Amino acid sequence: EPEVTQTPSHQVTQMGQEVILRCVPISNHLYFYWYRQILGQKVEFLVSFYNNEISEKSEIFDDQFSVERPDGSNFTLKIRSTKLEDSAMYFCASGRQGGDGNQPQHFGDGTRLSIL
Amino acid sequence: LAKTTQPISMDSYEGQEVNITCSHNNIATNDYITWYQQFPSQGPRFIIQGYKTKVTNEVASLFIPADRKSSTLSLPRVSLSDTAVYYCLVGLSGSARQLTFGSGTQLTVLP
Repeated sequence: EPEVTQTPSHQVTQMGQEVILRCVPISNHLYFYWYRQILGQKVEFLVSFYNNEISEKSEIFDDQFSVERPDGSNFTLKIRSTKLEDSAMYFCASGRQGGDGNQPQHFGDGTRLSIL
Repeated sequence: LAKTTQPISMDSYEGQEVNITCSHNNIATNDYITWYQQFPSQGPRFIIQGYKTKVTNEVASLFIPADRKSSTLSLPRVSLSDTAVYYCLVGLSGSARQLTFGSGTQLTVLP
């Protein structure tokens, strides 16, 4: 069964540095998402991406964050000037979303981002 | 987006059937009910989705009464490896159908 893959599995970065989290969504999916989960808290939506542009973003997704689909397979999340509170698990997800909006999303196993 | 209420935690023993009920009183006509499972340090994993009555797959069953104001996820004969957080999600939000997760139900399967 095809799956969403994320790299790296764990990223340790000094505060103030930039990080890029990478994802390879499922190949025939059209919608791509980033979510994050701070330790012990809920999974929170960050941003959705469709047709090579951001569809929606949450309040968390401010100017510090950006997403890109640089080629036909990768989907990246860039975090500039990282802060201690950016420490979390970051999950990439993708969905097919045909004509029916109620299609399940498929998640990767996440990147654990630790800001020191 | 329909608000969901589910128990914070449940304990069970290996081999038992586990039923987790979710309340969603303000479910909309077009909303589907979806359950995800999350193991520690892993991403949520889709388990089952339904609209009405009963849906069954190789992992679980989903029971939805006629008024659709609640749903029950049934896991037959659980094992230790079923210990996880189970999320009930109703409807999708936004133009890109992003998911809104609640706190879920922590299921602990005991030997």
